[in-house]
Amino acid sequence: GAVVSQHPSWVICKSGTSVKIECRSLDFQATTMFWYRQFPKQSLMLMATSNEGSKATYEQGVEKDKFLINHASLTLSTLTVTSAHPEDSSFYICSARRTRWAGGNTGELFFGEGSRLTVL
Amino acid sequence: KQEVTQIPAALSVPEGENLVLNCSFTDSAIYNLQWFRQDPGKGLTSLLLIQSSQREQTSGRLNASLDKSSGRSTLYIAASQPGDSATYLCAVRGSNYKLTFGKGTLLTVNP
Repeated sequence: GAVVSQHPSWVICKSGTSVKIECRSLDFQATTMFWYRQFPKQSLMLMATSNEGSKATYEQGVEKDKFLINHASLTLSTLTVTSAHPEDSSFYICSARRTRWAGGNTGELFFGEGSRLTVL
Repeated sequence: KQEVTQIPAALSVPEGENLVLNCSFTDSAIYNLQWFRQDPGKGLTSLLLIQSSQREQTSGRLNASLDKSSGRSTLYIAASQPGDSATYLCAVRGSNYKLTFGKGTLLTVNP
């Protein structure tokens, strides 16, 4: 099956610093990737849609200047949490939509392993 | 706005039991519905995907059904095993590939 890799899998940082999380589709191209945030015992909430070669689309209530998204290639999207604060501590998960391939486009999304951010 | 509800929130069963997890959604205009498994502190593993035109999908001991008109889906797990213990998430896909997730059902299968 298609593989999506996230790095780092966990990170601890001091308040006020910036943290970058990478999301890579390892064996397929993805023109669209999605970033989710999951608080403990809560559902995954979509933060933004990352589009290759263009600006990301943010969901209502998500600060675009705080959560910078870059989708510079067909296999890589990055999420940078700027000036992180303890309330940004969460589990961040990306997913990727496979661009058309010979097996047919089922609309299935493939998820990364997640990145746990702890801000002290 | 789409809302997805999963019942029960937690379930504990002895090994070998058959069980059913429920998922309901408020807007029936969906493209597909996907069931995921999430282990503690881990990402999501896709279990089954049902297109809006389909009624069910099967994979091994798992069977998922979809009743789009009533906004319901069930995940049936046969002959449960301790290794099945995890959180099971239901998600529906709307426009632009956006997924709306339920809060999940925490399943514990006791040996």
